[in-house]
Parts: sequence; structure tokens; C-alpha cells
Amino acid sequence: AQTVTQSQPEMSVQEAETVTLSCTYDTSENNYYLFWYKQPPSRQMILVIRQEAYKQQNATENRFSVNFQKAAKSFSLKISDSQLGDTAMYFCALIDGGSQGNLIFGKGTKLSVKP
Amino acid sequence: NAGVTQTPKFRILKIGQSMTLQCAQDMNHNYMYWYRQDPGMGLKLIYYSVGAGITDKGEVPNGYNVSRSTTEDFPLRLELAAPSQTSVYFCASSYSSLGAGSGELFFGEGSRLTVL
Repeated sequence: AQTVTQSQPEMSVQEAETVTLSCTYDTSENNYYLFWYKQPPSRQMILVIRQEAYKQQNATENRFSVNFQKAAKSFSLKISDSQLGDTAMYFCALIDGGSQGNLIFGKGTKLSVKP
Repeated sequence: NAGVTQTPKFRILKIGQSMTLQCAQDMNHNYMYWYRQDPGMGLKLIYYSVGAGITDKGEVPNGYNVSRSTTEDFPLRLELAAPSQTSVYFCASSYSSLGAGSGELFFGEGSRLTVL
């Protein structure tokens, strides 16, 4: 069975600083996809970044980047130059390649960016 | 752009009552999903649909039913509500299969349901 573990229930960072959120996962598949989703206090969840397991290069999206360690089954999210608008719950998620529906979510990390 | 619209946003039910959570998307997405989010937990998939007329169970389907008569709408029905169904429910859609890697989930704002 696939699992996603986020070991940091809460984190805080000063505005303009860098923060890293941790995620580990387990799957028996070789082809899968990993995601980070952001859920601001308004509750509508949005995609932050996506990583294909077959790609060795770490995905980046502006201030957001990942450190994908396939052998260690680790998928951490780095937020650079943190902004107040980054305050949100962050969820790590996994889906096996070929699966049509079951995106597996971690429990989330609550990030607070302090001015 | 409306995106994914869920109604109602809040609802209180008594044990044994039934209700339907409505979900509509205007992006012409084939795939639609219902998740529930319990406090301190990640989202868990209840049901999903890969197109009109096709639905399938997710991880936690018991106590729920769905239908997909049109591409746009994917209502979730709760029969005989129980306190264990107190949760926040999220509807989501995607253009393609998430397992194909190119898909991105678009979420509604959620519906907070309390069963007393």
C-alpha cells in the first residue's frame, strides 16, 4: 500500500527566509508522480509543484523547488524568499502511474510566515 | 472563471438524515473526485469518476453514493448520516488522469458537514 508521511505538523519561518518542508513516501511502483498542494486559510487547495519519478532533475516553480531523492523515497519542498501569502497548510501527495483516481495525501504541514 | 463550485458550504445534519452535496465544474474536465478531510488528517478519496456514466470507489466509500449523469456535475449523497461523517468535503476535477502525470487537481472551496 502507498503511504505519504509528513513528519512536521507545524513550522514557522520569517518573511524573506527559506524553509524546507519534509515528505517521505512508500510505493512499490517504479513509475509514479509526486505533488505538493497548498491550502490557504480560504481552504481552496491549489497545486504548487509536480515531480515525475522517472525524472532525475528536481522540479522548480519560481520560489518553490523540490529535493527529490528517489532511493530514499524523500520529496521535500523548499520555499525561498518566504512571503506572508505562503502561510498555508501544505500537503504532499503521491499517485502511481496508471492509476486513475487515488491520489494519496499526507497529513499536512501548517506553515506560518512571520513578518 | 467559476472552476469547481460546491454547495452548500456549511450544513448541520441530524443522525439518520440524508443530504446531497452538489459539485459542478465548468472546465469540461473528464475526471471528478470527492475527498473528505478530517481534522489533522490528509484528504481521503471517497469516489471518483472518469467520465459521464462512470464512477468508482475510492478509499472510504461506505455511507456515500455518487452519480455522474453529465460531464459538469458530480453530486455526493449521504444516506443515513452518522457522526463519523462529520468532516470537510472537497470536490475536485482534472482534465486527464492524475496517474498520467500531466493532470492537475482543481479543487472546490469545500463543504463543512456536521452530524449531530
